[in-house]
Amino acid sequence: GENVEQHPSTLSVQEGDSAVIKCTYSDSASNYFPWYKQELGKGPQLIIDIRSNVGEKKDQRIAVTLNKTAKHFSLHITETQPEDSAVYFCAASWNDMRFGAGTRLTVKP
Amino acid sequence: NAGVTQTPKFQVLKTGQSMTLQCAQDMNHEYMSWYRQDPGMGLRLIHYSVGAGITDQGEVPNGYNVSRSTTEDFPLRLLSAAPSQTSVYFCASSRGHDEQYFGPGTRLTVT
Repeated sequence: GENVEQHPSTLSVQEGDSAVIKCTYSDSASNYFPWYKQELGKGPQLIIDIRSNVGEKKDQRIAVTLNKTAKHFSLHITETQPEDSAVYFCAASWNDMRFGAGTRLTVKP
Repeated sequence: NAGVTQTPKFQVLKTGQSMTLQCAQDMNHEYMSWYRQDPGMGLRLIHYSVGAGITDQGEVPNGYNVSRSTTEDFPLRLLSAAPSQTSVYFCASSRGHDEQYFGPGTRLTVT
């Protein structure tokens, strides 16, 4: 089955800096790559996603890039704010969805 | 729309007890899934369903049963609870290979 690895497990940045989280996947058949944000005590919520026919997608301060040849994709958050502090999960999907282990992002004011 | 609802929010079981975690969605989504979340391990897929009457195993199915008799409901059954099943359980639904909508979770403790 699909295996998704996510790095780093924790990330601390100063407010205004950029944050980058990277994921690799094993199943070349995967064609959908979402990123979820989970705040304390809540279920994960989608923040951005990308499909295998697209190399990059941007939504305001958030962007995702996909390299299908290398089987990795990354989340980029620019101009970070304290409210960006949360746990972020990447996932890869073809038949079912598999998640990375998560990255705890802390944005220091 | 209520979205995805889960009950109960919290549950404590003794080893060997059985229980059913309820999940319902009102978005007419075909896909529904159950995940467990443990510290440092992200979300692991237990079982999923691509439509009423169709279920399949995920990454960690042992000790859990599911059924899907209607589009709206996807209950998860623990037949004989074990301490290793202490976790937070999330139900999710989606139209297909698309955005998953997660419920608020059930925190289960097995003593």
